[in-house]
Amino acid sequence: NAGVTQTPKFQVLKTGQSMTLQCAQDMNHEYMSWYRQDPGMGLRLIHYSVGAGITDQGEVPNGYNVSRSTTEDFPLRLLSAAPSQTSVYFCASSRRGSYNEQFFGPGTRLTVL
Amino acid sequence: AQSVTQPDIHITVSEGASLELRCNYSYGATPYLFWYVQSPGQGLQLLLKYFSGDTLVQGIKGFEAEFKRSQSSFNLRKPSVHWSDAAEYFCAVGPLNYGGSQGNLIFGKGTKLSVKP
Repeated sequence: NAGVTQTPKFQVLKTGQSMTLQCAQDMNHEYMSWYRQDPGMGLRLIHYSVGAGITDQGEVPNGYNVSRSTTEDFPLRLLSAAPSQTSVYFCASSRRGSYNEQFFGPGTRLTVL
Repeated sequence: AQSVTQPDIHITVSEGASLELRCNYSYGATPYLFWYVQSPGQGLQLLLKYFSGDTLVQGIKGFEAEFKRSQSSFNLRKPSVHWSDAAEYFCAVGPLNYGGSQGNLIFGKGTKLSVKP
């Protein structure tokens, strides 16, 4: 099993550009989540999904969109990048009934100029 | 409100010394508790978890943690630190109860561990 994979590993954008961060898992987990990590802030939940076709907002959803058309994939879209979105983004997945034990991808480091 | 507090932002210990990283939580019921470790430039790896039962849990890499309900704490310990333990450590609690977010965790802000030779 590859676990949770994320692409790209690094990305530089200009203000106003859009892009999609990819996340995939091969563990057949129902739950998937996106977090951003900023220095001194820990991990903050952006969006999450409890199954294909079902998504909801987390703590810091503004400026981001998600969709979940399959169990495996959970892309995060930045519609119009802003410097405040410079961060490290982590995707995570967990299995229903597993007491919320989350498995994390390696992260995407995004810089918005 | 649910929250996790890691009071120490940065700790430095000597190699071979013992380690205790503090974690306090605010939660309305019996929580699920986790410690994750993040090495520089890497993702988060689960060290250990507590769901129920024995309040002293063992994890990987020689770490252990003790759940103390009366103190709302879940401190991480290691008897002898190795240079390779230098990393950032995150305490987390779940499930997160808002908007039906049953699959998510609340994370503390992390404690960075430096190890002196």
